[in-house]
Amino acid sequence: AAGVIQSPRHLIKEKRETATLKCYPIPRHDTVYWYQQGPGQDPQFLISFYEKMQSDKGSIPDRFSAQQFSDYHSELNMSSLELGDSALYFCASSSLTGGDEQYFGPGTRLTVT
Amino acid sequence: KNEVEQSPQNLTAQEGEFITINCSYSVGISALHWLQQHPGGGIVSLFMLSSGKKKHGRLIATINIQEKHSSLHITASHPRDSAVYICARAGGGADGLTFGKGTHLIIQP
Repeated sequence: AAGVIQSPRHLIKEKRETATLKCYPIPRHDTVYWYQQGPGQDPQFLISFYEKMQSDKGSIPDRFSAQQFSDYHSELNMSSLELGDSALYFCASSSLTGGDEQYFGPGTRLTVT
Repeated sequence: KNEVEQSPQNLTAQEGEFITINCSYSVGISALHWLQQHPGGGIVSLFMLSSGKKKHGRLIATINIQEKHSSLHITASHPRDSAVYICARAGGGADGLTFGKGTHLIIQP
């Protein structure tokens, strides 16, 4: 069965650079969620989209933005990167009409040097 | 106080033992998720519960809505069960999950 796809899987950036993370949800899923997990930390919710509209917002810094496109994939754009942005970024998808269960992607490991 | 509390934080057991991980939450939920994460690895959804009990193989999850409490049980534990088990609260719709701190489980052969 198709799973959530994230790219890239690993990314190394320098401070003050920008990064774009991509998430491709499971086919026919209409909702995408982004989470950030710092080293040794529990995941923190950043933002979610339902049918291409922002739905819920968590602890997403103002330097980050995200959107969901017409094909339901989502991109998380991160600017003015800081050392503290080094983390594992998970995307999850769900179908609100199919029961809300979130399926997680493998994550993108971002290292800021 | 975290909205989602898990216990224990760390658990080491011998292969074959029955394992119980507990989760309490303070705010109403639409569903309670149990997730598994291996070191450095991705997150796998084990269960999503809104009432009663679910079973998948050697894993059993229960929830008591009135008491705002859920448990994850592992029967006949095996070293490959070693992982971090995370309980997460869902508020409903497209709301993000609120995660507990996780339980680090080690099953020794």
